Amino acid sequence: EDQVTQSPEALRLQEGESSSLNCSYTVSGLRGLFWYRQDPGKGPEFLFTLYSAGEEKEKERLKATLTKKESFLHITAPKPEDSATYLCAVHPNDYKLSFGAGTTVTVRA
Amino acid sequence: DAGVTQSPTHLIKTRGQQVTLRCSPKSGHDTVSWYQQALGQGPQFIFQYYEEEERQRGNFPDRFSGHQFPNYSSELNVNALLLGDSALYLCASSLVSGGTDTQYFGPGTRLTVL
Repeated sequence: EDQVTQSPEALRLQEGESSSLNCSYTVSGLRGLFWYRQDPGKGPEFLFTLYSAGEEKEKERLKATLTKKESFLHITAPKPEDSATYLCAVHPNDYKLSFGAGTTVTVRA
Repeated sequence: DAGVTQSPTHLIKTRGQQVTLRCSPKSGHDTVSWYQQALGQGPQFIFQYYEEEERQRGNFPDRFSGHQFPNYSSELNVNALLLGDSALYLCASSLVSGGTDTQYFGPGTRLTVL
């Protein structure tokens, strides 16, 4: 069965303090790995799709990387508006997404 | 570009009742997936509809059923509601021929069962 584990569960950062979130996965065939951002009470907002080990994608202060067993979401010089829950999901060889429980990031000014 | 829309935003029901949630996919998308998200957890896959057929189902009982209409919109029905059905219900749309399999989510419907 597909398993996705995200760590840490929560991360408190000072504005400008860079850090990384981890997503480790076990899946029978990976069609893609997705990162989403979710604000409280709202639906997940798509950030990145990664398809193969070694791939990297960037958007503003966020950078996602992928290896054969895990993905990292790096947040560089975060701002308070980067505070959110970040969800990782894997897309195995079927149609569903399997999500981790998320990492809640709080950035203090 | 219209994104995924869901209705209603919030819903309060009592145990044993039935509920219907609605979803309109992102413009140009033909596939709709439904997820249940309990507080503090990641979304859990309920099922996916494509060409008006249920294409895959997650580990949810038969009380959860759905439908997709010719215009690609979809409904999620839950019968005999339990307290444990209280959650945020998310709809996601994608395009089969898009090649990326990216699912875009709506704002969700918050269901509270009393």
